[in-house]
Amino acid sequence: QKEVEQNSGPLSVPEGAIASLNCTYSDRGSQSFFWYRQYSGKSPELIMSIYSNGDKEDGRFTAQLNKASQYVSLLIRDSQPSDSATYLCAGIKANFGNEKLTFGTGTRLTIIP
Amino acid sequence: EAQVTQNPRYLITVTGKKLTVTCSQNMNHEYMSWYRQDPGLGLRQIYYSMNVEVTDKGDVPEGYKVSRKEKRNFPLILESPSPNQTSLYFCASSHSTGSVPGELFFGEGSRLTVL
Repeated sequence: QKEVEQNSGPLSVPEGAIASLNCTYSDRGSQSFFWYRQYSGKSPELIMSIYSNGDKEDGRFTAQLNKASQYVSLLIRDSQPSDSATYLCAGIKANFGNEKLTFGTGTRLTIIP
Repeated sequence: EAQVTQNPRYLITVTGKKLTVTCSQNMNHEYMSWYRQDPGLGLRQIYYSMNVEVTDKGDVPEGYKVSRKEKRNFPLILESPSPNQTSLYFCASSHSTGSVPGELFFGEGSRLTVL
């Protein structure tokens, strides 16, 4: 089982709608989670970090963490064509001084005008 | 401008010919790391460094070497490249107070082809 899993997509969402991206993780020891956006041919760019259970909002983006169910999600409200990209979920597993940051394989999101 | 700079951006080489990919950051970050990105496999960590003279293996270190003699530089060395090292490579850096950070700044990437 992969440590961080994402549906590879592609996920197609109409412009103006809410895009919902999901990520599950296998290790209950994972503490912190991150969402990166990667445009085609470009490098990943951090868009959200979440460290505790619940929701964290930043503009049109909301990250949600549910440690009991071991999932992390990213909601993008009022989706724009410029949101079309691959979204990478990453988590840090705390392991008594041997922490590890692991990335999922990414979900490709396409916003349809 | 805060940035992570990698060179070369594109490289085609042949099996066995040693090469170095340089990485430099101007943010005074303690933590630096190298990743490779392959279709269907995502980002996999090759090596990382928590600070000067401190390096450690990631998930896929075989065939690679690194050094961290200065805080700003973290070169990736392929002593004898093989075709399975054909990939897109990213250098990343972050501020760290001793623990592995998750908020990384990535370089623009280096696309390497080994024939």
